Amino acid sequence: EPEVTQTPSHQVTQMGQEVILRCVPISNHLYFYWYRQILGQKVEFLVSFYNNEISEKSEIFDDQFSVERPDGSNFTLKIRSTKLEDSAMYFCATALRGFGEPYEQYFGPGTRLTVT
Amino acid sequence: LAKTTQPISMDSYEGQEVNITCSHNNIATNDYITWYQQFPSQGPRFIIQGYKTKVTNEVASLFIPADRKSSTLSLPRVSLSDTAVYYCLVPISNFGNEKLTFGTGTRLTIIP
Repeated sequence: EPEVTQTPSHQVTQMGQEVILRCVPISNHLYFYWYRQILGQKVEFLVSFYNNEISEKSEIFDDQFSVERPDGSNFTLKIRSTKLEDSAMYFCATALRGFGEPYEQYFGPGTRLTVT
Repeated sequence: LAKTTQPISMDSYEGQEVNITCSHNNIATNDYITWYQQFPSQGPRFIIQGYKTKVTNEVASLFIPADRKSSTLSLPRVSLSDTAVYYCLVPISNFGNEKLTFGTGTRLTIIP
């Protein structure tokens, strides 16, 4: 069964540093998402991405965050200047279809980001 | 503020049917309701998706009333391996914008 993969599995960084989280989507999927989950809390939507641009973003996704598909395959989430409260598990998800049609989002295993 | 709420936790014995309800009073009109299962330290895993009325697949059923302000996931004859956190994922309409919103999550514990 095809899988979404994410690297690294765990990233430790100092406050103020930039981090890039990487996701390899399932090959024929067209819709891409990032979510985060703070330890012990629910999963929170960050951003959706389709046709090389952001479709929707949440209030969490402020100017510190950016997404791109630099080479048409990897889908990345960049946090420019990390804060302690950015510590969380970050999940990438991909889907063949998007809003308004039946679709299933496939989630990757997550990257645990620890900001010290 | 629109909320998507679920019971925090539920316990059930093996072999029982379990029903978990998600309340979403500001759901967007033209998108699907999806339920996911999450085990510790793993990403959410798709269970079932529906738009209205009833949907059934090999693992669960999903009941959605006509007003779509709630949805109920039904797990028939649960086993120990169904112990997990269950989330609804709903498109919520907020001042004309549509945002995917996970419910608060229900921690289901199956008792032998």
